[in-house]
Amino acid sequence: DAKTTQPTSMDCAEGRAANLPCNHSTISGNEYVYWYRQIHSQGPQYIIHGLKNNETNEMASLIITEDRKSSTLILPHATLRDTAVYYCIVRVGRGSSGDKLTFGTGTRLAVRP
Amino acid sequence: DSGVTQTPKHLITATGQRVTLRCSPRSGDLSVYWYQQSLDQGLQFLIQYYNGEERAKGNILERFSAQQFPDLHSELNLSSLELGDSALYFCASSVGTGKETQYFGPGTRLLVL
Repeated sequence: DAKTTQPTSMDCAEGRAANLPCNHSTISGNEYVYWYRQIHSQGPQYIIHGLKNNETNEMASLIITEDRKSSTLILPHATLRDTAVYYCIVRVGRGSSGDKLTFGTGTRLAVRP
Repeated sequence: DSGVTQTPKHLITATGQRVTLRCSPRSGDLSVYWYQQSLDQGLQFLIQYYNGEERAKGNILERFSAQQFPDLHSELNLSSLELGDSALYFCASSVGTGKETQYFGPGTRLLVL
């Protein structure tokens, strides 16, 4: 699976949009971009995923650049409950090594009141 | 609530002992994954089962074993426990294999004294 690079930490004000970047310059054509988050020591929570088109759901939007070498997760109106570690993961749709998720160190997002 | 349940929530035991962690996947999910999260290693994939069969192995120690039963619940057995096995253990499930989204349980916090 392609390696990802994320900033170690970020912060944003409550009510503002949080834009979390992720670099995946070695991504292959069949690899998807997934975002999960982990609030304190809870189980990782799925947020969104995409292949090449931008995606939106009730939690967030995912913007993937045309060359697919980077992406941005957007939380449109961050709340204090969005304070968490956000993981950007790139994985193939189906691989001989199974379907594991490879977690990096993620971005620690702090939402300020 | 992801629909994945794990028991127990907390476990305290002594070195050299053996413990069993249990996971019930979401209704209809055939794949079960186990992950370990320790302070120094982050979230690491251990093993995956699909419909009762082992599908992939990660960095799982020989002292650890797992199985998936006909009702699709899974157990992770940890034996000859060492202090370094203290960690959060998460189970995740997905409908099948490949790019299906994995949903995580709340985890079991293991403390080895």
